[in-house]
Amino acid sequence: EIVMTQSPATLSVSPGERATLSCRASQSVSSNLAWYQQKPGQAPRLLIYGASTRATGIPARFSGSGSGTEFTLTISSLQSEDFAVYYCQQYNNWPPYSFGQGTKLEIK
Amino acid sequence: EVQLVESGGGLVKPGGSLRLSCAASGFTFSSYSMNWVRQAPGKGLEWVSSISSSSSYIYYADSVKGRFTISRDNAKNSLYLQMNSLRAEDTAVYYCARSGANVPYYFDYWGQGTLVTVSS
Repeated sequence: EIVMTQSPATLSVSPGERATLSCRASQSVSSNLAWYQQKPGQAPRLLIYGASTRATGIPARFSGSGSGTEFTLTISSLQSEDFAVYYCQQYNNWPPYSFGQGTKLEIK
Repeated sequence: EVQLVESGGGLVKPGGSLRLSCAASGFTFSSYSMNWVRQAPGKGLEWVSSISSSSSYIYYADSVKGRFTISRDNAKNSLYLQMNSLRAEDTAVYYCARSGANVPYYFDYWGQGTLVTVSS
């Protein structure tokens, strides 16, 4: 089973600044990595798939990079609606699909 | 517009059973694999089970194998999760999620979830 590790657990950033979230896989997942955003009381929403492709309707300020075992989600200029929990997920070797433990992005 | 609406959650005693449903609309349900993902209170996401478009392939997490059964009815555009021998650690919000169009699959649309509480 592939273990996904996200860092940091909590990230405090001011609106308008850049946020960088990391995700590491215990073995290579190629580019089969997705990022999801979850706000309190809501379902997860797909942001990025294929490590770097934005899902439909996702603003350009969200970008993903990486391949193999190291991945990054960058939000270029934080808006108030971006403060949420972010999860990475590998879908290269399944079952099982595995998620990271999440990074909480909070307002500084 | 893709919509996934879960139902069937509630309070159940340890050892009891519950059947979750997910009603799908806005897409050709029979063409997509589907999934259940759960989230315990205050915790992260955990994949539970997946089923292919024609029910030919079914997968379970080790934590639910032998206790949960996933199924679908393409004529009714519905996905199900039969949960037996429930334990306290099964307490979670259960989401149904659609797989993307192409292998390998990520989860492109999610329902709002239904809460299952296992407690005496």
